[in-house]
Amino acid sequence: GAVVSQHPSRVICKSGTSVKIECRSLDFQATTMFWYRQFPKQSLMLMATSNEGSKATYEQGVEKDKFLINHASLTLSTLTVTSAHPEDSSFYICSARDPGTGTDTQYFGPGTRLTVL
Amino acid sequence: AQSVSQHNHHVILSEAASLELGCNYSYGGTVNLFWYVQYPGQHLQLLLKYFSGDPLVKGIKGFEAEFIKSKFSFNLRKPSVQWSDTAEYFCAVLTGGGNKLTFGTGTQLKVEL
Repeated sequence: GAVVSQHPSRVICKSGTSVKIECRSLDFQATTMFWYRQFPKQSLMLMATSNEGSKATYEQGVEKDKFLINHASLTLSTLTVTSAHPEDSSFYICSARDPGTGTDTQYFGPGTRLTVL
Repeated sequence: AQSVSQHNHHVILSEAASLELGCNYSYGGTVNLFWYVQYPGQHLQLLLKYFSGDPLVKGIKGFEAEFIKSKFSFNLRKPSVQWSDTAEYFCAVLTGGGNKLTFGTGTQLKVEL
């Protein structure tokens, strides 16, 4: 099955610094990747849709200048949390759609736990 | 905007008991429906999905779900749960031309020996 990886799995940073999270599709090419945020004991909330070679589409209420998304290749999307603050601490999960399946199924990465001190 | 409701937030069952987790969505158009499972410490995995055809879909590990269009529901079932089914289960609806996956709040299932 389609495999999606994320790196790092955990990151702790100081307030004001920037953190980059990578999302890779390992055995397929993904023209579209998605970034979600999951708060403790809550559901996943879509932050943005990342399209290879074009600008990301952000959901309402998500600051595009704070959460920079780059989808430079068909297997890699990155999310950079700029000037991170404690309220940005969360679990960030990416997913990728495998066009080879002929369906709109998304495959999820293992997530990145971000803690901002 | 579309929404997904999972009414059971926490469910505790004994092994071999039957399971049914409710999922209702609010969206008037064509939907694709999913159930994902998140085992402790692991990432989301696809259990099953419905796109079209037979409204009763079978997934992995003995799970199945039935799409009832008139009730806007997609309940997950398993006749006999195992301890290893302890996990969090998420129902999700795909809309927006296939780009927007909206999740329910999840149901934490604990299966006791």
